[in-house]
Amino acid sequence: GEDVEQSLFLSVREGDSSVINCTYTDSSSTYLYWYKQEPGAGLQLLTYIFSNMDMKQDQRLTVLLNKKDKHLSLRIADTQTGDSAIYFCAEKGGSSARQLTFGSGTQLTVLP
Amino acid sequence: DSGVTQTPKHLITATGQRVTLRCSPRSGDLSVYWYQQSLDQGLQFLIQYYNGEERAKGNILERFSAQQFPDLHSELNLSSLELGDSALYFCASSVSPARAVDTQYFGPGTRLTVL
Repeated sequence: GEDVEQSLFLSVREGDSSVINCTYTDSSSTYLYWYKQEPGAGLQLLTYIFSNMDMKQDQRLTVLLNKKDKHLSLRIADTQTGDSAIYFCAEKGGSSARQLTFGSGTQLTVLP
Repeated sequence: DSGVTQTPKHLITATGQRVTLRCSPRSGDLSVYWYQQSLDQGLQFLIQYYNGEERAKGNILERFSAQQFPDLHSELNLSSLELGDSALYFCASSVSPARAVDTQYFGPGTRLTVL
């Protein structure tokens, strides 16, 4: 079945860039997503990328996709303390149901 | 605010009991998904409904069931509750899984605690 993996923790200094990595196994993935979860809150959609794209930029967020290696990354430029949260990578497979398979989440801590 | 609402926000109950979680999708969305988030299993897909019909099942226990009503709201029923059912239950909605870009928007979740 599909599997999505992420490292569990990342710490960066305020103002630095953060890079959160994700690998997936489903070669039929159509879209890949990044969601953010703040403490006690639901999942907020940050951005998504279609599987035939290499890169997508949206303000401070840059998503890079290496389809050959099934590797996805999310770069947050000028990371702020408000960016501290858990970031989930998710992939939508090619099945008709279109449910998402999530990674375990990466806890990003931004240090002052 | 995603536009997806879930009630209640918190639920505390005892083992063996039955609870119902409710979800109202965003206006215009026809598809509803239920996910369970627990510390040991992470975020797991449970079940999906589209326009009142069950569309897909994931790791949903037989003690759990769901339905989507004509007004498109959905309910997740959890019965014979066990301690291990304690988790955050999220509902997500999307327009239609037939669309190429069918983004799922998540509700704030219901935190279930089974004592």
